[in-house]
Amino acid sequence: AQKITQTQPGMFVQEKEAVTLDCTYDTSDPSYGLFWYKQPSSGEMIFLIYQGSYDQQNATEGRYSLNFQKARKSANLVISASQLGDSAMYFCAMREGITGKLIFGQGTTLQVKP
Amino acid sequence: DTEVTQTPKHLVMGMTNKKSLKCEQHMGHRAMYWYKQKAKKPPELMFVYSYEKLSINESVPSRFSPECPNSSLLNLHLHALQPEDSALYLCASSPRDRSLTDTQYFGPGTRLTVL
Repeated sequence: AQKITQTQPGMFVQEKEAVTLDCTYDTSDPSYGLFWYKQPSSGEMIFLIYQGSYDQQNATEGRYSLNFQKARKSANLVISASQLGDSAMYFCAMREGITGKLIFGQGTTLQVKP
Repeated sequence: DTEVTQTPKHLVMGMTNKKSLKCEQHMGHRAMYWYKQKAKKPPELMFVYSYEKLSINESVPSRFSPECPNSSLLNLHLHALQPEDSALYLCASSPRDRSLTDTQYFGPGTRLTVL
């Protein structure tokens, strides 16, 4: 069965600095997708970035990039030039093949300090 | 446009009330989902609809009744809820239900309080 592990319950970062949120995964499927979502206190789950298992390059979307290390089964999210609006909970997730449901990690709460 | 809308944003109901949550998407997605999320926890899947048919029910109590009137709409009917059902209810959609690579897009959620 697939599993996502996020080991950092909470993180602090200074405004304008970069921060890395850790995510490791476990799956026996050769084909899989990894997703990062941001959830502000308002509750909406916002899709940030996707990495496919066969993608040759690390995914990037604006200030978000994914440090994908397939052999180590890690898919860390890097946020560059942090902004106060980046303060939120961040979830790493993977789709389960049989049901299609998203398997989430426990999440990391990021606080950006001014 | 990757928008999923949900109404209402907030809902307070008594244990004897009947209410409904609504979700809508116009992205042509054929899979729609209901998730329940407690504070500081990841979302938990409740139901999956694929091509307007219920494909997964994650052993959800019958006081929650989903309905998919058409490919764009998803409802969740609530009846005789318990205080422990108070949570954030999130709707999501994706192009297909069992693709490992399709992105699920979420709505803003409904914060439900059961008194």
